[in-house]
Amino acid sequence: EIVMTQSPATLSVSPGERATLSCRASQSVGSDLAWYQQKPGQAPRLLIYAASTRATGMPTRFLASGSGTEFTLTISSLQSEDFALYYCHQYNNWPLTFGGGTKVEIK
Amino acid sequence: EVQLLESGGGLVQPGGSLRLSCAVFGFPFSSYAMSWVRQAPGKGLEWVSGISGSGASTHYADSVKGRFTISRDNSKSTLYVQMNSLRDEDTAVYYCAKDRWNDPDAFDIWGQGTMVTVSA
Repeated sequence: EIVMTQSPATLSVSPGERATLSCRASQSVGSDLAWYQQKPGQAPRLLIYAASTRATGMPTRFLASGSGTEFTLTISSLQSEDFALYYCHQYNNWPLTFGGGTKVEIK
Repeated sequence: EVQLLESGGGLVQPGGSLRLSCAVFGFPFSSYAMSWVRQAPGKGLEWVSGISGSGASTHYADSVKGRFTISRDNSKSTLYVQMNSLRDEDTAVYYCAKDRWNDPDAFDIWGQGTMVTVSA
């Protein structure tokens, strides 16, 4: 099983600042990597697929990069609605796996 | 409108069984692989099981293999998971999710979730 490790677990950021989230895979997943945003009491929402492609309707302030084992999600200027949990997800190999999540909170 | 509606959750005793359903609206169901993903209270996301568009191919997490069975009825646009020999650690919100295009793929559409509580 491919283990996905996200860091940091919690990120405290002021509105308007940049947030950088990391996701590492225990073995290469190529570009088969997605990012999701989840708010309390809601289902996850797809932000990014294929490591760097924004899902339909996602704001351009969400930028993602990486391939192989190292991936990054950057939120260029945090808005109030961006404070949430973020998960990475590999779909290169069965079983599919998620990272443990990064909580982006208001500083 | 594209929509996934889960149902069938509830309280069940350890060792018991439950069947969850996910009714799909707004897209050609048989053309897409689907998965079940769960989230224990206060915890992260865990992929549970996936099924191809035709239903011919299925996959399971080790934690549920041999106890859960995923299936689909393309004539009814409905996804199922039969959960047997339930354990305390199966307590979670269960989401159904649609693969974006390929099998497997990112999950572009999610249901609202249904809560399963396993407790004596």
